[in-house]
Amino acid sequence: GQQVMQIPQYQHVQEGEDFTTYCNSSTTLSNIQWYKQRPGGHPVFLIQLVKSGEVKKQKRLTFQFGEAKKNSSLHITATQTTDVGTYFCAGPNTGFQKLVFGTGTRLLVSP
Amino acid sequence: KAGVTQTPRYLIKTRGQQVTLSCSPISGHRSVSWYQQTPGQGLQFLFEYFSETQRNKGNFPGRFSGRQFSNSRSEMNVSTLELGDSALYLCASSPSTGLKLVTEAFFGQGTRLTVV
Repeated sequence: GQQVMQIPQYQHVQEGEDFTTYCNSSTTLSNIQWYKQRPGGHPVFLIQLVKSGEVKKQKRLTFQFGEAKKNSSLHITATQTTDVGTYFCAGPNTGFQKLVFGTGTRLLVSP
Repeated sequence: KAGVTQTPRYLIKTRGQQVTLSCSPISGHRSVSWYQQTPGQGLQFLFEYFSETQRNKGNFPGRFSGRQFSNSRSEMNVSTLELGDSALYLCASSPSTGLKLVTEAFFGQGTRLTVV
């Protein structure tokens, strides 16, 4: 079945350092979504990318969808302690009836 | 608009018992999905309902079942609980229309189930 992997699994950075998580799907995706889950919380939708090669920015966060629409990345510039959490990518399965979530990248930011 | 509401928030059950979890989606959302989240397995898809019909089911045993009511509220049931069923159960609603799932998902706060 469709698999979505993320690397790294875990990253610990100092506040102010940059952070990047990579998402790779075993199949081509019609779109890719990113979610953030704070410790003890629930996943919260961040953004959706649809077009091949699309790049979107939200303040310090930059999201990119690969040309082949099988991979994506999330880059955070100058991390802050509020960025702590697990970041998930997700894409629809072939039948468009469920979201397949990536394995997640847990980010820890030390002040 | 009120968000997705899940009840109860926490639950402790004994092995062999059964449990029912409830989810009220965002008003107007007809698609409700359920996920199981565990530290080792991440977010695993259980099933998705749209207009009272189960459209997709994940790879879980038949002990896991669900249903959706005409007001889009959904319940999931787990029978004959096992220790391994301890997890955070998340419900997500989506403004899906027709046959395809509009993929932006809005999650509830989840039900933390502990089986002892």
